[in-house]
Amino acid sequence: NAGVTQTPKFRILKIGQSMTLQCAQDMNHNYMYWYRQDPGMGLKLIYYSVGAGITDKGEVPNGYNVSRSTTEDFPLRLELAAPSQTSVYFCASSYPSYNEQFFGPGTRLTVL
Amino acid sequence: TQLLEQSPQFLSIQEGENLTVYCNSSSVFSSLQWYRQEPGEGPVLLVTVVTGGEVKKLKRLTFQFGDARKDSSLHITAAQPGDTGLYLCAGGGGSGAGSYQLTFGKGTKLSVIP
Repeated sequence: NAGVTQTPKFRILKIGQSMTLQCAQDMNHNYMYWYRQDPGMGLKLIYYSVGAGITDKGEVPNGYNVSRSTTEDFPLRLELAAPSQTSVYFCASSYPSYNEQFFGPGTRLTVL
Repeated sequence: TQLLEQSPQFLSIQEGENLTVYCNSSSVFSSLQWYRQEPGEGPVLLVTVVTGGEVKKLKRLTFQFGDARKDSSLHITAAQPGDTGLYLCAGGGGSGAGSYQLTFGKGTKLSVIP
């Protein structure tokens, strides 16, 4: 099993550009999550999904959108990128019990 | 808003020393998890504790969940350079949050010097 995969690994965007961060998991997990991690700030939840077709906002959803058309994929869309979105983005998935999360390797995004 | 406070924020010790990292909250959690994150990688789950007073051991690492399920500690015996990393605690099922959400602490950055 590949676990949770994310692409791209690194990306530089100009202010106002858009992009999609890809996330896929092959563990048949119902729950999937997007976090951002800023230095010294821990992990902040952006969006989550409890199953295909069901998504909801987390703590910091502004400037982002998600979709969940399949169990495996959970892409994160950035519209009109801003410097405040410079961060490392992690996708995770979990089983329902105790919500033990498996993380992808992350995408380091810089907005200039 | 639930908060998990981790202390210390940074810790630099010599190889062979013992250390304890703390994770405290005013909220009750149904479970508490510890993750370790190495530079350039995603967090990796170390352990989950679910019962108040529970103690779990993973080789040289000992994890404890407080009796009231509001706090936890991670103790490392005879630290090694391979223990270097960012240690994150995460609480599940706290008040006001769905059972599918975790509340993360800001982490403790550990450096073990050979």
